[in-house]
Amino acid sequence: QVQLEQSGAELRKPGASVKVSCKASGYNFIRYSIIWVRQAPGQGLEWVGRISAYSGNTEYAQKFQGRFVMTTDASTTTAFLEAGSLRSDDTAVYYCAREELGYGDCVDWGQGTLVAVSS
Amino acid sequence: QSAPAQPASVAGSPGQSVTVSCTATNGDIGSFTLVSWYQQHPGQAPKLLIFEGHKRPSGVSARFSGSKSGNTVSLTISGLQSDDEADYYCCTYAGSNTYFFGPGTRVTVL
Repeated sequence: QVQLEQSGAELRKPGASVKVSCKASGYNFIRYSIIWVRQAPGQGLEWVGRISAYSGNTEYAQKFQGRFVMTTDASTTTAFLEAGSLRSDDTAVYYCAREELGYGDCVDWGQGTLVAVSS
Repeated sequence: QSAPAQPASVAGSPGQSVTVSCTATNGDIGSFTLVSWYQQHPGQAPKLLIFEGHKRPSGVSARFSGSKSGNTVSLTISGLQSDDEADYYCCTYAGSNTYFFGPGTRVTVL
């Protein structure tokens, strides 16, 4: 079955960077895109961006353009989200999800990775 | 495009139907085909309930249905059950191959 296994929780100081990984298994990795979503404590979901695992093409929500970078490694079937110049309001659980049809439909989800930014 | 609006909360008794609305704040909700709905229980990852506006993934109960009227899309939960108590998010097209989530609606089973 499809599984998305994310890396563990991270604690960073303001201004630092962090890289979250999402290891995919149970399907043809390059056939589908990965979407990243974040959720601040007690808040709603935010759509961060999408990366094609086939081409590497990326689309970012306007708010996340510049400081956030999505990549994939087909040899290890892993997707990555790197965030730089971290601020306290980047504290959130970051989820990766597999997009099934290309219509923003996130069928399978990782368990989430907490990134805490604090001095 | 801009993020859609959702009511903060809706409530219903077991067996009743409730509807969660998702309305464009700039007058254009976008393509119905690009609308999806998610359910999230506390401490869990979201779960896809509806895609392409009205279709259900395998395994999702037929009690969940999606519809559109004008610039509002809606999720209806019929035969409300205690396990339906959760947060519900619409996801709509934002342009340039990106999407918005609505702010979420807490459904309470009375």
